[in-house]
Amino acid sequence: DAGVIQSPRHEVTEMGQEVTLRCKPISGHDYLFWYRQTMMRGLELLIYFNNNVPIDDSGMPEDRFSAKMPNASFSTLKIQPSEPRDSAVYFCASSFSRFANTGELFFGEGSRLTVL
Amino acid sequence: QQPVQSPQAVILREGEDAVINCSSSKALYSVHWYRQKHGEAPVFLMILLKGGEQKGHDKISASFNEKKQQSSLYLTASQLSYSGTYFCGTEIGDTGKLIFGQGTTLQVKP
Repeated sequence: DAGVIQSPRHEVTEMGQEVTLRCKPISGHDYLFWYRQTMMRGLELLIYFNNNVPIDDSGMPEDRFSAKMPNASFSTLKIQPSEPRDSAVYFCASSFSRFANTGELFFGEGSRLTVL
Repeated sequence: QQPVQSPQAVILREGEDAVINCSSSKALYSVHWYRQKHGEAPVFLMILLKGGEQKGHDKISASFNEKKQQSSLYLTASQLSYSGTYFCGTEIGDTGKLIFGQGTTLQVKP
């Protein structure tokens, strides 16, 4: 399996622009997580889905952030409008059936976002 | 509800041991440990589900105390490859919601 695939790997944009980050989870995984990592805040959970349904979005910073999972193989995280404080590495991770096996979260390589 | 990790940073010589602690103010359903190398994604090490449980592979092991509010990660006879940032992830209740601590940076020197 190719693992969790995220795109773009790097994004540089200007304040006020819309940013869309994409994630393809591992086939068969029914949980999908979006995390944001910064030096100040560490790894923050933004939102997670189970079977394409958002379960908890309490970590989404504000209304400028939105996430969707239209099907089992694709999810997006959108920031509109973007601000410099949104600069971070955004990780997508997937897992199978509530840690039924080893309990492992498989992380993508991350999308590094820089907002100027 | 973010777990608290200690210490924040550790510097070791090869062959030395280290302990990283993770504590919560509430009883936990599970504790996960991950290691992240610079510029890479976090990689899973292990999960503990039961109070009093201990797990390990190779020279890295972990424990989960009986009250399920604290876990410790033990690195024995550290190797250069152990360098990185270690995160504990905790789950309160059987929710699937995994919250990570701030991380502990471990540097192993020759």
